[in-house]
Amino acid sequence: AQSVAQPEDQVNVAEGNPLTVKCTYSVSGNPYLFWYVQYPNRGLQFLLKYITGDNLVKGSYGFEAEFNKSQTSFHLKKPSALVSDSALYFCAVTPTDSWGKLQFGAGTQVVVTP
Amino acid sequence: DTGVSQNPRHKITKRGQNVTFRCDPISEHNRLYWYRQTLGQGPEFLTYFQNEAQLEKSRLLSDRFSAERPKGSFSTLEIQRTEQGDSAMYLCASSLTGLNNQPQHFGDGTRLSIL
Repeated sequence: AQSVAQPEDQVNVAEGNPLTVKCTYSVSGNPYLFWYVQYPNRGLQFLLKYITGDNLVKGSYGFEAEFNKSQTSFHLKKPSALVSDSALYFCAVTPTDSWGKLQFGAGTQVVVTP
Repeated sequence: DTGVSQNPRHKITKRGQNVTFRCDPISEHNRLYWYRQTLGQGPEFLTYFQNEAQLEKSRLLSDRFSAERPKGSFSTLEIQRTEQGDSAMYLCASSLTGLNNQPQHFGDGTRLSIL
């Protein structure tokens, strides 16, 4: 069975500082990995995905993520956080043999203070 | 690209009533997904369609839940005899699959509150 873990319920960072949101996964075979962001009372917005190739994936709004197969991790990063990055972030996985349902982590609340 | 549209945005109903939600996906997307999200949790998969065919249903989808996508365009999710535990945000997503699989795009959801 596949699973996703986001070990931090909340991450606090000062504006301008680097932001990291952690994600580890468990899936048989090679995974497709995703990051989504959710603002209050809204749906999820796609940020980036890892399919294959370069382990460093660049996405929307200055976010990037690094795929590490040996550590089964896919951490989200941003070099300089903005107050507007404050939101709920979800990591998700789907097996490569099924571009279908996503298995989501429980989410990490990011709070960026001015 | 007008995005995924869900209606209504909010639904309040009494326990035991039936409710129906609608999802209009991005027009060229062949796949449509339904998820449920409760407070403090990530979305949980319920079911998905490829065109009009329902390809997979989660065991979370009890026999009180039914979903349709009759013409391969919009979809409806019906919950019969609602229970308190059905209170949640119901999210719809769509994607285009094929030679170049695209990520799922989500609507803003329908929030269901059971009194």
